Amino acid sequence: RKEVEQDPGPFNVPEGATVAFNCTYSNSASQSFFWYRQDCRKEPKLLMSVYSSGNEDGRFTAQLNRASQYISLLIRDSKLSDSATYLCVVNPSGNTGKLIFGQGTTLQVKP
Amino acid sequence: DAGITQSPRHKVTETGTPVTLRCHQTENHRYMYWYRQDPGHGLRLIHYSYGVKDTDKGEVSDGYSVSRSKTEDFLLTLESATSSQTSVYFCAISESNFGGEQYFGPGTRLTVT
Repeated sequence: RKEVEQDPGPFNVPEGATVAFNCTYSNSASQSFFWYRQDCRKEPKLLMSVYSSGNEDGRFTAQLNRASQYISLLIRDSKLSDSATYLCVVNPSGNTGKLIFGQGTTLQVKP
Repeated sequence: DAGITQSPRHKVTETGTPVTLRCHQTENHRYMYWYRQDPGHGLRLIHYSYGVKDTDKGEVSDGYSVSRSKTEDFLLTLESATSSQTSVYFCAISESNFGGEQYFGPGTRLTVT
């Protein structure tokens, strides 16, 4: 079983739609959680951290469910520019910087 | 954008030849990382460095070595390239080893024929 699992998609949605991605992780002792965004043939970039209380940044909302060991990302009012691959990232130990990346979920927003 | 460059950006080499990839940063960050990205696997850590001359292995370190003689440079060497090392290689840097904020370079596409 992979340490971090994501549905690779692609998720094809129309502009303005709300879309949600989930990610599961296997190590119950994992300390911190993140979503990165990666555009086609580009480097990954941090989108947002995921806190136990949930956090929101504009149209993006991230949630953590430690009991079920999953992380979610909700995107509201999708834009064409949201088309990208979204990487779920877990830091198992919290103090080594050794991140575990999911393989990513691809989102295509259509006009 | 964080000041991270990688060289070369593209390389084609033959099986059995040595290859060195360079990562250069201008941010003076202590921590540096080398990842490879392959379809179906996501990003996997090869080696990382927590200071000059201080390095450690990641998840997929076999066949790779690294060196860091200066804060700004982190070199990844494939001593004898194999076709299984065909991949996209990303360097990343971070100020801290806590949390998960890492800044990535633009990547190097390596093809081993």
